[in-house]
Amino acid sequence: NAGVTQTPKFQVLKTGQSMTLQCAQDMNHNSMYWYRQDPGMGLRLIYYSASEGTTDKGEVPNGYNVSRLNKREFSLRLESAAPSQTSVYFCASSGDGRVSYNEQFFGPGTRLTVL
Amino acid sequence: AQSVTQLDSQVPVFEEAPVELRCNYSSSVSVYLFWYVQYPNQGLQLLLKYLSGSTLVKGINGFEAEFNKSQTSFHLRKPSVHISDTAEYFCAVRPAGGTSYGKLTFGQGTILTVHP
Repeated sequence: NAGVTQTPKFQVLKTGQSMTLQCAQDMNHNSMYWYRQDPGMGLRLIYYSASEGTTDKGEVPNGYNVSRLNKREFSLRLESAAPSQTSVYFCASSGDGRVSYNEQFFGPGTRLTVL
Repeated sequence: AQSVTQLDSQVPVFEEAPVELRCNYSSSVSVYLFWYVQYPNQGLQLLLKYLSGSTLVKGINGFEAEFNKSQTSFHLRKPSVHISDTAEYFCAVRPAGGTSYGKLTFGQGTILTVHP
């Protein structure tokens, strides 16, 4: 059981470039999430997917798009990267997110630097 | 909407000393409460959670937390810390009930550094 995996681990982009962060989980979870972590700000929710085929905005969605490709995979796309998007990005998954005891499991993160 | 405030950004402590990491929250609805730990260059791992029932909850690695509804607090404690407890700790909340789809609101984090 790999849990939640993310690729790449590190990435450096120039302003205006695009890229997709990949996330996959092998726990048969329904719900998946994308967070960004910035120093002194904790983790903030970018987008989430309550179940396969659905996505919705979180707290900081501007500049990002997501795709729930299937039950296992949830990708995050930056169409035109900006320095303000320099951050560490975490993907997480849980069983039915509506159920209180379903904890979120986190991937190892992707460190993104936008120059 | 919910908000979480972790009152200390950094907490230095000596090995085998007790520690308390403070967390206050604000919410207009009932909430579930969580503490996560992040070791260097890793993802987050759940330490413990409060859903209902006893206000004192025990988690992994000897940590415990007490939910105080009147003070809207959920402080994390450990009676004797080890070097291996050095990490960043996050308090998080989510609305009770099913409509939030598990969305968590995190505090800013507290870096616990245990010195020998």
